[in-house]
Amino acid sequence: EAEVAQSPRYKITEKSQAVAFWCDPISGHATLYWYRQILGQGPELLVQFQDESVVDDSQLPKDRFSAERLKGVDSTLKIQPAELGDSAMYLCASSSARTSGGAYEQYFGPGTRLTVT
Amino acid sequence: SQQGEEDPQALSIQEGENATMNCSYKTSINNLQWYRQNSGRGLVHLILIRSNEREKHSGRLRVTLDTSKKSSSLLITASRAADTASYFCATVPYSGAGSYQLTFGKGTKLSVIP
Repeated sequence: EAEVAQSPRYKITEKSQAVAFWCDPISGHATLYWYRQILGQGPELLVQFQDESVVDDSQLPKDRFSAERLKGVDSTLKIQPAELGDSAMYLCASSSARTSGGAYEQYFGPGTRLTVT
Repeated sequence: SQQGEEDPQALSIQEGENATMNCSYKTSINNLQWYRQNSGRGLVHLILIRSNEREKHSGRLRVTLDTSKKSSSLLITASRAADTASYFCATVPYSGAGSYQLTFGKGTKLSVIP
């Protein structure tokens, strides 16, 4: 069964350092999402791509976070510089949603657990 | 921001009992989805119910939706220890910008005791 791949699974970094996460969605899925999940909370959307274009990055702290999906396939989320408050689980998800209307489920990767010290 | 609010925040039951979790939301929706998350892992989609549906079943899962009350419930029948996880409801807005975006609640942590 096809899965969303993420790496690394765990990352420990010092504050002010740069960190990057990678996501490979399910083949053929046009829409890719990055979420941040703080312990004990539900995931919160950071950025949504359709193909290589950003659909919504209104919740992305753009002074330190960036995301790209250059060829419309895999994606990278970067934080520079990392802050203590960035410690969280970073989840990637994909779906086959493309056209308006309809209802689509999202498929999640295993996540990257980030600890900033 | 969180759209849905699950209730209760935590639930502990014996194996074989039924578990019911509730979700309330604030704005009009296209559909509502339930996801499960095992400790420290990614989320797994359980069931999707559209705004024009009132009830849906999938195996031991039963989901209801009351759009007039902006609420949904998830029932897990004959629970098993393997059902121990956090359960999240997530809503998709009715239309326009934000379509296909899920807004999650804070989740219900279910513990099933063998």
